[in-house]
Amino acid sequence: KNQVEQSPQSLIILEGKNCTLQCNYTVSPFSNLRWYKQDTGRGPVSLTIMTFSENTKSNGRYTATLDADTKQSSLHITASQLSDSASYICVVWNSGNTPLVFGKGTRLSVIA
Amino acid sequence: NAGVTQTPKFQVLKTGQSMTLQCAQDMNHNSMYWYRQDPGMGLRLIYYSASEGTTDKGEVPNGYNVSRLNKREFSLRLESAAPSQTSVYFCASSDTGGTHGYTFGSGTRLTVV
Repeated sequence: KNQVEQSPQSLIILEGKNCTLQCNYTVSPFSNLRWYKQDTGRGPVSLTIMTFSENTKSNGRYTATLDADTKQSSLHITASQLSDSASYICVVWNSGNTPLVFGKGTRLSVIA
Repeated sequence: NAGVTQTPKFQVLKTGQSMTLQCAQDMNHNSMYWYRQDPGMGLRLIYYSASEGTTDKGEVPNGYNVSRLNKREFSLRLESAAPSQTSVYFCASSDTGGTHGYTFGSGTRLTVV
């Protein structure tokens, strides 16, 4: 069964600190992996999309890594800000017109 | 550029009532999706439409129907609402296959009492 597992479920960090969120998947075949940010009460917004051949991709203070061999991805947030408080969802697409496989998300809280 | 627009934003229904959630996108996307999001469950696919004129069941289709009215609009209907359908509903759209990512609406918070 295609699955996406994220860890930790929730995380609290101090403003200015760095953090790393993890994503493991069993989706096959693999086409691309996406990280979304979802603010409370809003729809998810795409942060990065990585294909099989990409190992890392950055979007400002967000850096995603992908190891397609071990089927693992991470999202690193540098110098966290209060506005980074949100759920971060890992999503994997296998191919064609089949829908995405969503992880349950990591809830990040950045406190002053 | 509005992206994906969902209406209404909030709704309270009594058990057994029916309603239709509306979704429209202005990005000329071929594919559209309806998801529900419950605490601790993540986003689960209800129905999707890969292209105009086609619809397919997702992971949790029971109790719902959909209509792809045209390329822009994809509606979700609850014929007889149940408390188990209390959830936040998200519509999304993408290019064919979602190669460049999905664009989500802001959600409809539905409570069935």
